[in-house]
Amino acid sequence: AQSVTQLDSHVSVSEGTPVLLRCNYSSSYSPSLFWYVQHPNKGLQLLLKYTSAATLVKGINGFEAEFKKSETSFHLTKPSAHMSDAAEYFCVVSDRSKGKLIFGQGTELSVKP
Amino acid sequence: GAGVSQSPSNKVTEKGKDVELRCDPISGHTALYWYRQSLGQGLEFLIYFQGNSAPDKSGLPSDRFSAERTGGSVSTLTIQRTQQEDSAVYLCASSLYGQGAQYFGPGTRLTVT
Repeated sequence: AQSVTQLDSHVSVSEGTPVLLRCNYSSSYSPSLFWYVQHPNKGLQLLLKYTSAATLVKGINGFEAEFKKSETSFHLTKPSAHMSDAAEYFCVVSDRSKGKLIFGQGTELSVKP
Repeated sequence: GAGVSQSPSNKVTEKGKDVELRCDPISGHTALYWYRQSLGQGLEFLIYFQGNSAPDKSGLPSDRFSAERTGGSVSTLTIQRTQQEDSAVYLCASSLYGQGAQYFGPGTRLTVT
């Protein structure tokens, strides 16, 4: 069975400093992995996706994630946080046999001025 | 182009009443999914429609929940005899094919009093 574990329930950074949101996955075959963002009282927005092409994936708003098979990780990074990045971030794996998404528990990112 | 739309955006109902939630996917997307987001359970898969295939209902929490997709487009999620534990945000998503990235609607916030 596939699963994802987000290692931090809450991350706080200062504006202009780097962001690192950690995610480990478990999958019996090469997974499709995603990061979604949810701003307060808003829907889920796709940030980026990994589907077995390049291991470094660039997404919207300056975010990127690196797929590391040896570490079963798919951490999300951004070089410089902006106040508008404050939101909840979900690491997600796709169930290859059924198509459904399996969500991590989410990481709430706070950005201090 | 137009994204996934859902209606109503908010629904307050009395315990025991039936409710219908509607999802209009992105035009041309063959796959449609329903998820539920609640404080205690995070994001949970409910049901998946792919083209003309039989739906995957494995995530429906009880037989009070049902969904249909008419003409391969619009979907309705019905909850009969609502209970307080049904209070949640119900999210709909669609994807071009069953294994691709999913695009989410804004959700319907259901409150059962």
